[in-house]
Amino acid sequence: ETGVTQSPTHLIKTRGQQVTLRCSSQSGHNTVSWYQQALGQGPQFIFQYYREEENGRGNFPPRFSGLQFPNYSSELNVNALELDDSALYLCASSLDRGGTEAFFGQGTRLTVV
Amino acid sequence: GDSVTQMEGPVTLSEEAFLTINCTYTATGYPSLFWYVQYPGEGLQLLLKATKADDKGSNKGFEATYRKETTSFHLEKGSVQVSDSAVYFCALSDDRDDKIIFGKGTRLHILP
Repeated sequence: ETGVTQSPTHLIKTRGQQVTLRCSSQSGHNTVSWYQQALGQGPQFIFQYYREEENGRGNFPPRFSGLQFPNYSSELNVNALELDDSALYLCASSLDRGGTEAFFGQGTRLTVV
Repeated sequence: GDSVTQMEGPVTLSEEAFLTINCTYTATGYPSLFWYVQYPGEGLQLLLKATKADDKGSNKGFEATYRKETTSFHLEKGSVQVSDSAVYFCALSDDRDDKIIFGKGTRLHILP
């Protein structure tokens, strides 16, 4: 049990729709990162938020966006869904920036049809 | 850019066998190295880590040594159990930007 919870656990959306995935970090953790894990692949870094501001971004288009809130919750929003967006989305929280241990949630399985 | 390469699976072993999962990395800086494990239906869990050259990370009977000269971080366990069946990810993190770079994962099956 990592103390990081994600919702929903599974989701089915239609191509072109928008989706919001949610994450509740461990209390006191100022940093949250989001990863996309395609089937049979390792997780790929989407972006990181530190104290409610974006603190780094991977190679993902602008239709992937995020928010971090003062209550240690965060959101990943994806607009104009494509079939290739089907994946497991993982949220990871850490106490601070700079290499502190990241604690992962169980993920949200998104299927785009 | 930075990258991680690990041996492809699946790896199938009998219980009590010796395990090695190879991992090599490419990095321009001085990364921290990790092994994560993903059990069926669960998220990623940190198994062990090493933050500098020659460090040995260990946990639950698993070990890995940070070898800067060979840019490797191979995972080993002397006697595997059925409960070790999972997907194992080698990863690195560079303090410059905090993101974790993962390998593709190695699925491990342990037969009773």
